[in-house]
Amino acid sequence: QSALTQPASVSGSFGQSITISCTGTSNDVGNYNLVSWYQQHPGKAPQLVIYEGNKRPSGVSDRFSGSKSGNTASLTISGLQAEDEADYYCCSFAVGSTWLFGGGTKLTVL
Amino acid sequence: EVQLVESGGGLVQPGGSLRLSCVGSGFIFSTYEMNWVRQAPGKGLEWISYITSSGSGIYYADSVKGRFTISRDNAKKSLFLQMDSLRVDDTAVYYCAREDSVIDHWGQGTLVTVSS
Repeated sequence: QSALTQPASVSGSFGQSITISCTGTSNDVGNYNLVSWYQQHPGKAPQLVIYEGNKRPSGVSDRFSGSKSGNTASLTISGLQAEDEADYYCCSFAVGSTWLFGGGTKLTVL
Repeated sequence: EVQLVESGGGLVQPGGSLRLSCVGSGFIFSTYEMNWVRQAPGKGLEWISYITSSGSGIYYADSVKGRFTISRDNAKKSLFLQMDSLRVDDTAVYYCAREDSVIDHWGQGTLVTVSS
């Protein structure tokens, strides 16, 4: 049960776009359309921003979008805002009926 | 509004036990699968256990299998995590999380510290 692979950090300027990758295997990301993304601000609980690869929960800005190709999922945030600065985690359903998280990516808005 | 409130965290010595609780409100608790997810200080999220809505199906991460036990009481809208043989590396914030084909709502977490 190895964690999904995410970059440790990404940065982008206010108003620009960034993409965070999440690489798994054929036992998780590549085998299920059940990838989700969470935003976590310091000291707070994670909040769902993308589910089933590319769907947004009610109330989440359309600046957030998701995609998947093979064993890699991606989260794109467009029109970066100061409030987007947070940690982001991907998550996938995996063989064995488990959930697997990525190691997390710290987003800095410059 | 969906709310999940955890309790039961605290300081425990290595080898000790602790029981976490989570009460759900704002949704029909008995119809949802539930999970426990933890986060060590300064680290990422780690899924540790899952239970079906009826309690008949249960899964654990290898890191806690044989030491932790998940259970639920639908009449009391409550989820539990019995943690035995605790180790220093079990120190973390433990989150209760609802599942609806995706982990969609999280509690605020309860801190468990394992230290002598």
